[in-house]
Amino acid sequence: DVVMTQSPLSLPVTLGQPASISCRSSQSLVHSDGNTYLFWFQQRPGQSPRRLISKVSNRDSGVPDRFSGSGSGTDFTLKISRVEAEDVGVYYCMQGTHWPYTFGQGTKLDIK
Amino acid sequence: EVQLVESGGGLVQPGGSLRLSCAASGFTFSSYGMSWVRRAPGKGLEWVSFITSSFTIYYADSVKGRFTISRDNAKNSLFLQMNSLRAEDTAVYYCARGFAATWGQGTMVTVSS
Repeated sequence: DVVMTQSPLSLPVTLGQPASISCRSSQSLVHSDGNTYLFWFQQRPGQSPRRLISKVSNRDSGVPDRFSGSGSGTDFTLKISRVEAEDVGVYYCMQGTHWPYTFGQGTKLDIK
Repeated sequence: EVQLVESGGGLVQPGGSLRLSCAASGFTFSSYGMSWVRRAPGKGLEWVSFITSSFTIYYADSVKGRFTISRDNAKNSLFLQMNSLRAEDTAVYYCARGFAATWGQGTMVTVSS
C-alpha cells in the first residue's frame, strides 16, 4: 500500500499567520492517465470531512483562496496564507492513484 | 443540492452483522463512483470500499471477505453489508461521492460485548 506521511502532526498557528503542511507518498502518485490524484481534506471538530483541494492544486467550490496546494510526484504541500479561527481542525492528504486509496495520519491545526 | 444521508449504524456484538445505507440526492447517482470511508475513535480516516459507476469493486485488506459494498441505482442508494464484525471496526462510517467531493454526516458503528 502507498504510505502517506504528513508533517507536522501538530500545528499551532497564530491568527493571521501562514501555515504549511507537508505530505510525502511512498511512491509516485502520477497515474497512467497523466493525472496526479492527490487530495486535501479538512475535518473540523464534530463535522464530516470536507474536500479542499483535488488533483494537487485545484480548489473545490466554496473553498477560500487562502488555501492552496502544490507539489508533484511524491512531495506535496498544503498552504494557508492567513489562518483564521474557522480553520481549526485536522487536515489530511489522500492519494487516489493506487488502490487502496490511503490517507495521511492527519495534522491537527489549532490556534496559539 | 448534493446530499448523502447514512443510516443503519448501531451497537453490535463481536461477530455480528450490520447493513449500512446511504441515500443520495441532488445528482445523477448512477454516473458516480461511491465510497465508504471510516474514522475510528482517536484515529485517522481509512478508505473502506469503493464501487465504480460500472460496478467494479475495491476493498481495503482490513475488511476484505467480511464487508460487501453494493449499489441500487434505481433507488439512488449505496450499501455496506458488514459481517463478522470486530472491535476494531468501531468507527463513524461515511459515504462519499467520487473522490470524496461530498460526504454524508456519518453513522456510528460500535462493536462491543
